[in-house]
Amino acid sequence: DTGVSQDPRHKITKRGQNVTFRCDPISEHNRLYWYRQTLGQGPEFLTYFQNEAQLEKSRLLSDRFSAERPKGSFSTLEIQRTEQGDSAMYLCASSLYDSSNTEAFFGQGTRLTVV
Amino acid sequence: QKEVEQNSGPLSVPEGAIASLNCTYSDRGSQSFFWYRQYSGKSPELIMSIYSNGDKEDGRFTAQLNKASQYVSLLIRDSQPSDSATYLCAATTSGTYKYIFGTGTRLKVLA
Repeated sequence: DTGVSQDPRHKITKRGQNVTFRCDPISEHNRLYWYRQTLGQGPEFLTYFQNEAQLEKSRLLSDRFSAERPKGSFSTLEIQRTEQGDSAMYLCASSLYDSSNTEAFFGQGTRLTVV
Repeated sequence: QKEVEQNSGPLSVPEGAIASLNCTYSDRGSQSFFWYRQYSGKSPELIMSIYSNGDKEDGRFTAQLNKASQYVSLLIRDSQPSDSATYLCAATTSGTYKYIFGTGTRLKVLA
């Protein structure tokens, strides 16, 4: 088990460009989460999936953000028409939906810089 | 009102001392609580989970939960300089398994 994997680790993009991030969860985990973290803040919830179903999306998330998890395996997070305010660390986490244990494990994160 | 609150610190303790980190939460229906450690520029790393009232020990770490007071704490015994990091408290919201994080407490262990 190699843990949660995110790609790329770093991304620099020009304002207005679209970017896509990938997350590969721990293999047996059926829940997958996306968070965003800026300096000095805790991770901020964006969205989460159970298998391929997107169960919740943050109301703070604009329509420029979209996430998918086809076939309930890896997930992608796309940001369209990036803005400088989108610069942050984007974190993916996964967990196994089990009433007795709900521990979530994070990937290394993707650091996005919008210039 | 923030759903999970932590003192941002920094909390400074001498090497070998006990570090005590605290967290309060607002959702009475929260069932699961977690402590993560985050080094600067890295992603959060899970240290402890706790689901029922009382203490849970794992090595040098002890998590404490008091649901009546809506309070979670983390004790680090024999603190080491390598423990210097930001500690994030998280709780799952009632009815879902969405994790809500506090802003974190920065811990400095002085050699």
